[in-house]
Amino acid sequence: EVRLVESGGGLVQRGGSQRLSCAASGFTFSTYWMSWVRQAPGKGLEWVANIKQDGSEKYYVDSVKGRVTISRDNAKKSLDLQMSSLRAEDTAVYYCARYRCSSSSCFIDYWGQGTLVTVSS
Amino acid sequence: QSALTQPASVSGSPGQSITISCTGTSSDFGSYDYVSWYQQYPGKAPKLMIYDVNNRPSGVSNRFSGSKSGNTASLTISGLQAEDEADYYCSLYINTTTLGFGGGTKLTVL
Repeated sequence: EVRLVESGGGLVQRGGSQRLSCAASGFTFSTYWMSWVRQAPGKGLEWVANIKQDGSEKYYVDSVKGRVTISRDNAKKSLDLQMSSLRAEDTAVYYCARYRCSSSSCFIDYWGQGTLVTVSS
Repeated sequence: QSALTQPASVSGSPGQSITISCTGTSSDFGSYDYVSWYQQYPGKAPKLMIYDVNNRPSGVSNRFSGSKSGNTASLTISGLQAEDEADYYCSLYINTTTLGFGGGTKLTVL
């Protein structure tokens, strides 16, 4: 059974930093792209970042570029999201997700339960 | 990043069929058949319901189906049940660097 368990959320001051982690199990972690997706309270889903299987490629939504770093440790089967210079608009539930890619397309096929980051002023 | 438009809400009675649309620009959809759909209950994580326009993951009811025409993808739920009441999101794969989501549609089962 695929399991993705996020941790690290909480209340953080505006301008502060937060590190989110995701523990993966039930699949061969090193063979999948991984993603972070967020959802602001009462709002829709927003893709945040992707990372390739070996960590050699990383991509971010424009609104977090320069402030957020995605990383992974395949030996530990873990995915991280380091966030800094946090803004009120970064307040959201952050989901760790498995990004399944075929020869032609990619999509998210499994999601963690999410961890809430609240940025206070 | 892509902007996909969904109706804010749709409703239907038990047993009926409903369709949720997801519209993008021609440059988004073009020849792409890479639309996926997710179901989300309040306070829960999304669940994959449809991928690559019309493929169902194992375990998803065959009452859920997907299609695409031009710049619009659609999710159809037939034989509507109370348990189908949830939020639904479309997603479009552009390339490995970009994944777009629609704004979400709240389905109410009357």
